Amino acid sequence: SQQGEEDPQALSIQEGENATMNCSYKTSINNLQWYRQNSGRGLVHLILIRSNEREKHSGRLRVTLDTSKKSSSLLITASRAADTASYFCATDAWESGGYQKVTFGTGTKLQVIP
Amino acid sequence: EAGVAQSPRYKIIEKRQSVAFWCNPISGHATLYWYQQILGQGPKLLIQFQNNGVVDDSQLPKDRFSAERLKGVDSTLKIQPAKLEDSAVYLCASSLEEIGGAYEQYFGPGTRLTVT
Repeated sequence: SQQGEEDPQALSIQEGENATMNCSYKTSINNLQWYRQNSGRGLVHLILIRSNEREKHSGRLRVTLDTSKKSSSLLITASRAADTASYFCATDAWESGGYQKVTFGTGTKLQVIP
Repeated sequence: EAGVAQSPRYKIIEKRQSVAFWCNPISGHATLYWYQQILGQGPKLLIQFQNNGVVDDSQLPKDRFSAERLKGVDSTLKIQPAKLEDSAVYLCASSLEEIGGAYEQYFGPGTRLTVT
């Protein structure tokens, strides 16, 4: 089952614009991560935000986390054609067996038009 | 450092045939994952290993799928017999073990399986 639901499912913007995608999840989490997947490739880790953090930056990426609303957003500023990819949120939660289970969302497909 | 290696990259088989995928994780990574990613969806965890022990295989269809991790390093995922709905990309990932902490997963390029 997939815990995270991304919104929108697809997004098309012009190069230079900002792109915002959202992730909502259902149960309490330990951390939330964002990954990027270029067509036909494996996933690449972008950023991790812990449950006690509210905002995190990495280069042109800004991630927010609102645990009260069980949601996160990923903002890509000044987008480039190379940012064209699918973006997934992934939630970490402790399982009763004493390990962290990672569950991926459904993804947002971003197209940046040059 | 070398990344996660997977082979083959592509495989086409007929239904009811068998297939095996191989994964070599990043050296020193204790945790290894196999995911199934159907076109247009996010990766779905099939099995998670910690060293050579299974910590989660709750979503592995055990009547047809099996996986092992040899000596806590390489891993193979097998499907026997394959069904049409098994057509997907099979992703292997690995991560460092971090007790009580957080970690990122490193993904291989995946194996695209087509069952006809």
